[in-house]
Amino acid sequence: NAGVTQTPKFQVLKTGQSMTLQCAQDMNHEYMSWYRQDPGMGLRLIHYSVGAGITDQGEVPNGYNVSRSTTEDFPLRLLSAAPSQTSVYFCASSWQGTTEAFFGQGTRLTVV
Amino acid sequence: GENVEQHPSTLSVQEGDSAVIKCTYSDSASNYFPWYKQELGKRPQLIIDIRSNVGEKKDQRIAVTLNKTAKHFSLHITETQPEDSAVYFCAASRSGAGGTSYGKLTFGQGTILTVHP
Repeated sequence: NAGVTQTPKFQVLKTGQSMTLQCAQDMNHEYMSWYRQDPGMGLRLIHYSVGAGITDQGEVPNGYNVSRSTTEDFPLRLLSAAPSQTSVYFCASSWQGTTEAFFGQGTRLTVV
Repeated sequence: GENVEQHPSTLSVQEGDSAVIKCTYSDSASNYFPWYKQELGKRPQLIIDIRSNVGEKKDQRIAVTLNKTAKHFSLHITETQPEDSAVYFCAASRSGAGGTSYGKLTFGQGTILTVHP
């Protein structure tokens, strides 16, 4: 049982480049979320999904897109990377919104 | 939307002392309050949670209290050990009307706890 798997673990992008952060879970969880973690600011919600085909914006959605075509996968797309998007990104999944959230190992992204 | 404030931002204690971290929330409809521990370079992991129909919950050296009227909840760690050193996050979320969950977990800013041997 792998849990929540994120790839890649590290990534360096040039300003203006695009990329997709992958997230997959094998626990049949309905809820999946993406957070970014910056020093002193906790975990801020970017986008979340309550099931396949349903997504919604979180606190800091600008510059990011998501889709949820299957229960297992929830990729996060950076459309045109900016230095302000340098951060550690975590994907999480849970059975419901009010149950334990399981996090992936994180992706450390640097935009230069 | 929900806003969660967490204090203090850093906390330093001697081994064996108690540590208390406090959080306040703004949305009176929030009904689920988990606490996560994040060790350096690792992912956050749930250590304890409490629901709005309970005032206190305890798990060995860790306890959480909830005051719905004042909209605040606290994490209490007794007999601290060096391995308790980590960043601790509080969070809040709520179920929707009719039992539908929103899946939207709002986190506090985190507390860096250092336990000195």
